[in-house]
Amino acid sequence: DAGVTQSPTHLIKTRGQQVTLRCSPISGHKSVSWYQQVLGQGPQFIFQYYEKEERGRGNFPDRFSARQFPNYSSELNVNALLLGDSALYLCASSRTATNEKLFFGSGTQLSVL
Amino acid sequence: GENVEQHPSTLSVQEGDSAVIKCTYSDSASNYFPWYKQELGKRPQLIIDIRSNVGEKKDQRIAVTLNKTAKHFSLHITETQPEDSAVYFCAASMGNTDKLIFGTGTRLQVFP
Repeated sequence: DAGVTQSPTHLIKTRGQQVTLRCSPISGHKSVSWYQQVLGQGPQFIFQYYEKEERGRGNFPDRFSARQFPNYSSELNVNALLLGDSALYLCASSRTATNEKLFFGSGTQLSVL
Repeated sequence: GENVEQHPSTLSVQEGDSAVIKCTYSDSASNYFPWYKQELGKRPQLIIDIRSNVGEKKDQRIAVTLNKTAKHFSLHITETQPEDSAVYFCAASMGNTDKLIFGTGTRLQVFP
């Protein structure tokens, strides 16, 4: 079985642009969470979606938004990019609505110039 | 506020020795405590987890202990091997939303 897949793997944008990151969960997993990982730090929670409903949101500005599709895949959108948005964006999936037994994807490395 | 502190930030041990990483959390409602291993350039991988109704859990060379009263939990790796070298992250669930708050990571180096 395929693990959590994310695309693209790398992305370079300039300040003010918008970006969309994509995630496909493990088959059978209905929960998708998004995390931001800055170099040298632990992942920071951005969003969780379960059964297409937002279940949790971290301390991120409204420039960050996400959605989950009927096939449980998910997109993370970031508008008006800032230099500080440069990070590794990780998607994780799990079977249940809780954040237990999270399986992470390899991430999208976003660089904002 | 929501916070997970992790110590030490770096840890160097000789192959065969034990390694211990400690974390403290702030939310008394936290009930789930996973540990993730992240090798350089790779995804975080769950290595062991514990729920608040259990004090200790073991899986081969890895064990986790939880002290709910003191709000701290620890990862113990015995008989360390060079392939254990990685960054280890602890995390705690925040009671009202179940979201995971991660520690800042411990870089473990195991020297042959």
